[in-house]
Amino acid sequence: GEDVEQSLFLSVREGDSSVINCTYTDSSSTYLYWYKQEPGAGLQLLTYIFSNMDMKQDQRLTVLLNKKDKHLSLRIADTQTGDSAIYFCAERYNQGGKLIFGQGTELSVKP
Amino acid sequence: KAGVTQTPRYLIKTRGQQVTLSCSPISGHRSVSWYQQTPGQGLQFLFEYFSETQRNKGNFPGRFSGRQFSNSRSEMNVSTLELGDSALYLCASSFQGNEEPQHFGDGTRLSIL
Repeated sequence: GEDVEQSLFLSVREGDSSVINCTYTDSSSTYLYWYKQEPGAGLQLLTYIFSNMDMKQDQRLTVLLNKKDKHLSLRIADTQTGDSAIYFCAERYNQGGKLIFGQGTELSVKP
Repeated sequence: KAGVTQTPRYLIKTRGQQVTLSCSPISGHRSVSWYQQTPGQGLQFLFEYFSETQRNKGNFPGRFSGRQFSNSRSEMNVSTLELGDSALYLCASSFQGNEEPQHFGDGTRLSIL
């Protein structure tokens, strides 16, 4: 089936770490992605991970993948007010040009 | 390198009209995918074009159609517009549309009155 689930809201204090979680259903997914959307804008690719990896780190971003549980997380270290946005996880469906997106997690960073 | 360009950014139409949206992919990218984003349904896949051929299609009615030109630019068309077609339409491009990431434009905001 095609289903990606995310929690809808997350609120953190500036300087704290944020962890956004995602579960997916397609066990054949080879790549999983994280996108960021700011108001009035399109989707900005943040990072992605190949399914044979457990972890990927890119500056303040850390992606963890638990393939057995089909669970993906995005950790943002030292969260800043500029990180306030909606974050989407996505899996690629059947190796084609179709991405299945979660509902998005709205991250609010309070000073 | 220029990103994905979508035109127009905003569009207002009335029910029953038809509309054409345009997408210019990143130079060298041959796969173009279209998505509809609404508050109620989230991001939903419309279709994907590669080398001027539709390669994947989502669950949308036949009023939604698209095409791709030899320079990889793509257009999508919506006929007989309905109020529920009000949405942000996003275009994404990638080199071949297999496993490399898709890069998105800023979208066209379509409002139906």
